[in-house]
Parts: sequence; C-alpha cells; structure tokens
Amino acid sequence: GQQLNQSPQSMFIQEGEDVSMNCTSSSIFNTWLWYKQDPGEGPVLLIALYKAGELTSNGRLTAQFGITRKDSFLNISASIPSDVGIYFCAGQLGQSGGSNYKLTFGKGTLLTVNP
Amino acid sequence: GAGVSQTPSNKVTEKGKYVELRCDPISGHTALYWYRQSLGQGPEFLIYFQGTGAADDSGLPNDRFFAVRPEGSVSTLKIQRTERGDSAVYLCASSLNGVGSEQFFGPGTRLTVL
Repeated sequence: GQQLNQSPQSMFIQEGEDVSMNCTSSSIFNTWLWYKQDPGEGPVLLIALYKAGELTSNGRLTAQFGITRKDSFLNISASIPSDVGIYFCAGQLGQSGGSNYKLTFGKGTLLTVNP
Repeated sequence: GAGVSQTPSNKVTEKGKYVELRCDPISGHTALYWYRQSLGQGPEFLIYFQGTGAADDSGLPNDRFFAVRPEGSVSTLKIQRTERGDSAVYLCASSLNGVGSEQFFGPGTRLTVL
C-alpha cells in the first residue's frame, strides 16, 4: 500500500537540541497528523493540522501543513530523554464518505536522545 | 476511562492455521479501523467499520482476510490459511464517528507465523 515519504529515517541527538522531520506525498491530503509510537504501544496523536499553511504548536512541538497540501514538517525544541520513540506522519483525505477517513502513514523517524 | 484494547497481545501460529484477533473499542465509538504494521514500516490501512458495516475494506490484502463487527462494538479480524508474510503487528483504532474525529489506537496484536 501507499506510504508517505518521511525523512530522516533516524536521528541521534543530544538532550536539549532541536530536531526537525518532514513528510511528503505525491497526492493531496486535507488533514495532516503527527503521531508518536513507543515500543509495544499503538501510535498516539501529537498534533493535527486541518488547513493548508497552518502552523500549530503543542508545547515543545510545532508542525506545519504545507501550502501545496502535499507536505508537512514537525519540529521538537529542547529535546528531553522521554522524546525517544518513533514519530509518524499521516495524511487523511477527510472528506465525506467512508473511505476518506483512513490514515496513510509515513515509514517513521526513529528518534534517540542522548542524556 | 478505558482505551482501545486488543487480545491477544501476542499470537504465534503455524503456516496454514486460522487465527482470530479481537478489538474492543472505546465505549460509544461508532467508527473502528484495522491497520497492519510490518517491521520498520508505518501502519497500513486494512478495513474501516461504521457501526456494524464495513464501509471500506479496500486495504484487505486478499480473501484470506476477513473482519466482522456484528453488534457495532467489538470487532474480530480473521485470517485463514496464514502465511509467513502475514507476520506483523495488527493495530485497531476507534473514533467517536467517521467525520474526521481522532483515531485512538490500541496496543496491537503481534502475530508471528512460523
């Protein structure tokens, strides 16, 4: 099945550093979402973006919905050890109709934070 | 309140066997989704239920896979004649309704086919 192009695949950073990851798609989405997944758990929603150009923050997290609706990025500022995990972007068409609520995910970015 | 629960957490089976994976969604959530996550990949959509009916089963890989939700709550994903390539984590998610509401994921069932 389709997966979004997410980069980088992995990052190893020092505590306190900022980190950025991004996601691109060949097709348009009306909603972009960013999830974090810890080992043995399901993904947990971090940020949802609903409008092209939208910039949204949630604590130390900031995400933007690209103008073309084909890309998004996530920034984490002042990283801490508990930020460790796999981060996934996901796109959703989100229009009326059952099939448009399924999520299409990227392959993930594995983040390691060195204390 | 209770989140989405999935049982079993782990399932090991032999090639050719039949397996059932269960999902208990958050109470009151009408929409339910199944995804499959292979090692090193993001989750991939399998099927979406709105109430009791499968609104979209376009992600099911072949006719060995089938899912039901007879009373609009608990769902069971059924895999016949399992193959080694079916090994993955099977994730279930539920949302309040299908109209763009947040999907809450369960911890998944790790299926290993020997």
